[in-house]
Amino acid sequence: GAGVSQSPRYKVTKRGQDVALRCDPISGHVSLYWYRQALGQGPEFLTYFNYEAQQDKSGLPNDRFSAERPEGSISTLTIQRTEQRDSAMYRCASSLAGQTEKLFFGSGTQLSVL
Amino acid sequence: AQSVTQLDSQVPVFEEAPVELRCNYSSSVSVYLFWYVQYPNQGLQLLLKYLSGSTLVESINGFEAEFNKSQTSFHLRKPSVHISDTAEYFCAVTKAAGNKLTFGGGTRVLVKP
Repeated sequence: GAGVSQSPRYKVTKRGQDVALRCDPISGHVSLYWYRQALGQGPEFLTYFNYEAQQDKSGLPNDRFSAERPEGSISTLTIQRTEQRDSAMYRCASSLAGQTEKLFFGSGTQLSVL
Repeated sequence: AQSVTQLDSQVPVFEEAPVELRCNYSSSVSVYLFWYVQYPNQGLQLLLKYLSGSTLVESINGFEAEFNKSQTSFHLRKPSVHISDTAEYFCAVTKAAGNKLTFGGGTRVLVKP
């Protein structure tokens, strides 16, 4: 596609529910990144992939968070047993292989946990 | 590890006035530095970046930033702002050729007529 696409744009869920956030990167982009941005703060790194391989997951806050990219294209970030503190904007970005200096961000998914 | 501090959370400025957004970073290794902009209801967009070479970098819409290694700063400036520059600006750093950006907390710029 023309840009990085994220869905849903908004997600409201109840505490304890699982959510899955989707990212469709720019066609041909090998690297895919997930960031989380709490209200009033800058984005924080969560994890990143090259192709289908998860290269770094050091930013995932706990084991309720997981991400996959099974075919090296679309990625899903899953949060299990959501808590109110998980409420944030979740941002996906993609780039050609490892080119952090040329990241393209999607519009994000705004997650609200009630 | 790297860290970024944006000293001003909000900067009100009148149209056609100059603006400076301050950014200081901390790192023990060589870094790449970036400024991203987020317009209302849009995603993050790269404004400009420093990788190597000339310490003064410019964007296509009149912004410039200067890498100052001795002061570990990368301040963003524009000599004359427009209403359309109203946005949130984020400074970011990564170690050279690294794979994860560390962002500052952002500076909201509100341009008043």
